[in-house]
Amino acid sequence: NAGVMQNPRHLVRRRGQEARLRCSPVKGHSHVYWYRQLPEEGLKFMVYLQKENIIDESGMPKERFSAEFPKEGPSILRIQQVVRGDSAAYFCASSPTKVNTPGNEQFFGPGTRLTVL
Amino acid sequence: GQQLNQSPQSMFIQEGEDVSMNCTSSSIFNTWLWYKQDPGEGPVLLIALYKAGELTSNGRLTAQFGITRKDSFLNISASIPSDVGIYFCAGNAGGTSYGKLTFGQGTILTVHP
Repeated sequence: NAGVMQNPRHLVRRRGQEARLRCSPVKGHSHVYWYRQLPEEGLKFMVYLQKENIIDESGMPKERFSAEFPKEGPSILRIQQVVRGDSAAYFCASSPTKVNTPGNEQFFGPGTRLTVL
Repeated sequence: GQQLNQSPQSMFIQEGEDVSMNCTSSSIFNTWLWYKQDPGEGPVLLIALYKAGELTSNGRLTAQFGITRKDSFLNISASIPSDVGIYFCAGNAGGTSYGKLTFGQGTILTVHP
C-alpha cells in the first residue's frame, strides 16, 4: 500500500539548469497538489492538477515554472533556468477525489530537496 | 491573501506534560487540518475537522474547529519523546480555492525526557 512517492529525494542544480521533480500519487488518486517549503516556514501552495488538467495554478510563479499530470505516468514539476532562490523543499500531495470531505484529505510525499548552486 | 497565524512558534516541555497550540485566520475556513512533520520528511496528517464546533480526538491528540470558523487548536496530552517535531495547522476555504491548503508557520515541539 504505497503512499505518495517523489523522486529524486535530493537534487542539485547549477544556476541556469533545469530541474524536473516527479510525483507518483497514491494508487487510485487522481488529484495532485504541489507545495514549496522554505527553511523554517510552512508549506506554500503552488498548483493543483487533475489528470491532464490544471485546476488551480494561482500559487505558481508565472515564469520558469510549469506542472503537468499526464494520463499515464507521474506528475512533473519543471523549473527552467533555476536560480538560487528556487532552493527549497518541494512536496507533492494527492487525494482520491475532490477535497475536502472526510476521507478525501491530502496525503503528502517525502519531498524533493532542491539545492541550486 | 489568506493567512494563518500559528502559536506558539516553539515549545520546550518535559515528558508527561500536556501541550496546546492554536491557529487563527483572518478569514473563514471550511476545513481545518493538523499535520506533523519530522526532519527531512513530508507532513503526516493527524486530524481533520469539517464542521464548526467539531471536537475530534486521535489517541492523545485532540483538535477543535472554532465556532467562528477562523480558528482551531490542537492539544497533546501526556507528551512522550516521539512527539518531537513540527506541527502545522492548515485550512481550506472552499469555493474556487477548494484544492488549496493554506499552512501556518508551524510550532516546533521539543520534549525533554
